[in-house]
Amino acid sequence: GDSVTQMEGPVTLSEEAFLTINCTYTATGYPSLFWYVQYPGEGLQLLLKATKADDKGSNKGFEATYRKETTSFHLEKGSVQVSDSAVYFCALLNTGGFKTIFGAGTRLFVKA
Amino acid sequence: ETGVTQSPTHLIKTRGQQVTLRCSSQSGHNTVSWYQQALGQGPQFIFQYYREEENGRGNFPPRFSGLQFPNYSSELNVNALELDDSALYLCASSLGGQQETQYFGPGTRLLVL
Repeated sequence: GDSVTQMEGPVTLSEEAFLTINCTYTATGYPSLFWYVQYPGEGLQLLLKATKADDKGSNKGFEATYRKETTSFHLEKGSVQVSDSAVYFCALLNTGGFKTIFGAGTRLFVKA
Repeated sequence: ETGVTQSPTHLIKTRGQQVTLRCSSQSGHNTVSWYQQALGQGPQFIFQYYREEENGRGNFPPRFSGLQFPNYSSELNVNALELDDSALYLCASSLGGQQETQYFGPGTRLLVL
């Protein structure tokens, strides 16, 4: 079945460091890919998405590119801030559009 | 525009009991999806309701059931609670039976003793 695998955390970075969180997926058909973020004490929020191969999703300085050849959707940010500390979830939406599958999440700590 | 709300925020039940969780979708949204998020894990899809019909289901047993009402609010019912049902239950609302753009509520934290 469809699945998402993302790098285990926690990831601890200093402010202004470069961030990469790896995500790979297994799916039939042509899924859409997402990154969601869960800030401490808040609900799950959509961070960015890409709906087809080679699309790049971007938001708040974060970027991820849908790579069909490597079945990956890695999250990157050039310079993290303390306020980026959160749990990040990679997810895919099946071709039918009614079943989102999430990875286990990666906790990010950013130190001042 | 009203966001997604869930009630109650916290709940404690004992094994074997039944529980009902409630979700009000964002204004104008006709689709509600339910997820279970165990501690330290990602959300797992339980099922989705679109126009009062279940139109998608994850790998959860039949003791997990739901309803959607004409105003598109929704309930999740869990019968014969087990200890492993302890989790954060999230609902998300969207449009058109799709989860392309879904908005999540804050969740209900259920503890089964």
